[in-house]
Amino acid sequence: AQKVTQAQTEISVVEKEDVTLDCVYETRDTTYYLFWYKQPPSGELVFLIRRNSFDEQNEISGRYSWNFQKSTSSFNFTITASQVVDSAVYFCALRGIQGAQKLVFGQGTRLTINP
Amino acid sequence: SQTIHQWPATLVQPVGSPLSLECTVEGTSNPNLYWYRQAAGRGLQLLFYSVGIGQISSEVPQNLSASRPQDRQFILSSKKLLLSDSGFYLCAWSVGTSVDEQFFGPGTRLTVL
Repeated sequence: AQKVTQAQTEISVVEKEDVTLDCVYETRDTTYYLFWYKQPPSGELVFLIRRNSFDEQNEISGRYSWNFQKSTSSFNFTITASQVVDSAVYFCALRGIQGAQKLVFGQGTRLTINP
Repeated sequence: SQTIHQWPATLVQPVGSPLSLECTVEGTSNPNLYWYRQAAGRGLQLLFYSVGIGQISSEVPQNLSASRPQDRQFILSSKKLLLSDSGFYLCAWSVGTSVDEQFFGPGTRLTVL
């Protein structure tokens, strides 16, 4: 069975601080895909990144960076110099190679950036 | 470009009433379509997915059903709503033949009283 765990239910930091959101996954598939989504107060999920299991290179996109480590089954997300607009619920998700691209989501981390 | 629409945006229904939520996708053909539910303060639960017209797979047994009458239309229904059906319902699509990410609609917030 596939499972995604986001142990941090809520995080609150002051603007301009760096913050890391943790994601740990479980899967028996040798090929799989990991995702991060952002859910702002409006409710719509916004796609942030997809990572393939065979590509462990870390990725940076502006203030966002992702650290994928297969050895620890983790796919952590770091926001550098956080801003109030980063306040949202962030979801990590996993999909195996089989079965119509079904996503398994973590419970989400509610991030609040205080001015 | 592709867009996904859901309506209504919000809905308040009494227990035992029927339900019909609609999702349509524009700008793509033969997408995979999905219905998720997000209960208050919780993660997303996949309810149904469809890989083609008339092809529906159910992930969670419940009093909800789904139909796909057209290639880019996905409908979530219930004959009799329960209090536990309250939540935020999200429709999503993905490219049918690749391993790309899913794109989500704006959601429908359903309150059953």
